[in-house]
Amino acid sequence: KAGVTQTPRYLIKTRGQQVTLSCSPISGHRSVSWYQQTPGQGLQFLFEYFSETQRNKGNFPGRFSGRQFSNSRSEMNVSTLELGDSALYLCASSWGDRANEQFFGPGTRLTVL
Amino acid sequence: AQKVTQAQTEISVVEKEDVTLDCVYETRDTTYYLFWYKQPPSGELVFLIRRNSFDEQNEISGRYSWNFQKSTSSFNFTITASQVVDSAVYFCALNAGNNRKLIWGLGTSLAVNP
Repeated sequence: KAGVTQTPRYLIKTRGQQVTLSCSPISGHRSVSWYQQTPGQGLQFLFEYFSETQRNKGNFPGRFSGRQFSNSRSEMNVSTLELGDSALYLCASSWGDRANEQFFGPGTRLTVL
Repeated sequence: AQKVTQAQTEISVVEKEDVTLDCVYETRDTTYYLFWYKQPPSGELVFLIRRNSFDEQNEISGRYSWNFQKSTSSFNFTITASQVVDSAVYFCALNAGNNRKLIWGLGTSLAVNP
């Protein structure tokens, strides 16, 4: 069974630009969560989508948004990039129940210059 | 408030030593789930174990074991006879409340030296 895939793996942008990251969950999984990982803040929850609906949202500004398609693939978008947005963005998929373990993709390393 | 504390930032051991990684959590919910994940240098988080709040049984999986104690709000992870391949950052995480987000500790970086 294929794992969670994320594209692109690496991205370099400049301040003010916007970026879109993509995540394909494990086949059959309907829940996709996004996390931001930085050395200073660790792993922080961004949002979770289930059946195309956002179910949970973390404490991030409105510049961070996401969506989920009918095939469960998800995208997250960051507009008006800031230097502090440089991070590893991780996507995780699961069946959707809170007890389920989440399976993570390799992440997208975003660098904002 | 929900919180996970991994007090050990870095641990360095010599191969074959036993090592315990500490995890202390905070939550007022009676139903919650605890997880451990491993993040090797490649960066991909690997699921290790899940434990729910109603199951305090300790668990052993090969060289890995977990000690869950509700009385001290701890969920510690022990690696017996450590190996170089165990070198990674280990994260403890909590799911509590009626949502599905994970609250993470800051991780413990384990270096196992030959």
